[in-house]
Amino acid sequence: KAGVTQTPRYLIKTRGQQVTLSCSPISGHRSVSWYQQTPGQGLQFLFEYFSETQRNKGNFPGRFSGRQFSNSRSEMNVSTLELGDSALYLCASSLAGAPSTDTQYFGPGTRLTVL
Amino acid sequence: AQRVTQPEKLLSVFKGAPVELKCNYSYSGSPELFWYVQYSRQRLQLLLRHISRESIKGFTADLNKGETSFHLKKPFAQEEDSAMYYCALSRSGNTGKLIFGQGTTLQVKP
Repeated sequence: KAGVTQTPRYLIKTRGQQVTLSCSPISGHRSVSWYQQTPGQGLQFLFEYFSETQRNKGNFPGRFSGRQFSNSRSEMNVSTLELGDSALYLCASSLAGAPSTDTQYFGPGTRLTVL
Repeated sequence: AQRVTQPEKLLSVFKGAPVELKCNYSYSGSPELFWYVQYSRQRLQLLLRHISRESIKGFTADLNKGETSFHLKKPFAQEEDSAMYYCALSRSGNTGKLIFGQGTTLQVKP
């Protein structure tokens, strides 16, 4: 079956702009998690959505938001971009988001560069 | 707060040598621990989880609660094991959230 897809794969934005990233989970998966990966901080959890509801949230400012649609596709939005938002954004899908029983399958990521 | 520490950024071994990738965690409750791997030009993928107690591609990892460690081991490294390895932790019931270590690059030389 098709894996997790993320679009776009690359983005260049300038400070102050906003950006929307998209994630399509594996068919049948209802949980989508988002992570930010940077050289300095590594992989950090942003939030998790399940059945169109945010179920879990990491320690990121309110400029980072997301949503999930009825088909489980998810988007994340970053408003008022800062240079420090430059990162690889990964999404992962799983059946129900329970790590002990479900496997998180990762997408290829969206590389965001903020100039 | 929960934290995962991988003390080595790079581990370089020769083919056929034993491998041990170190992972220590801090969490006062009962953790769920994982090893993820990213091969060159591939996606991050689950290698193994402690609750399964299985061996994948010859790798094993034992949870040592006394030492709060979850080291990844393989008795004989292969060149195809060269990759980035991440140790990750999840709290029971904490849906969808993995806390990752900084990762260790394993380089297996011929």
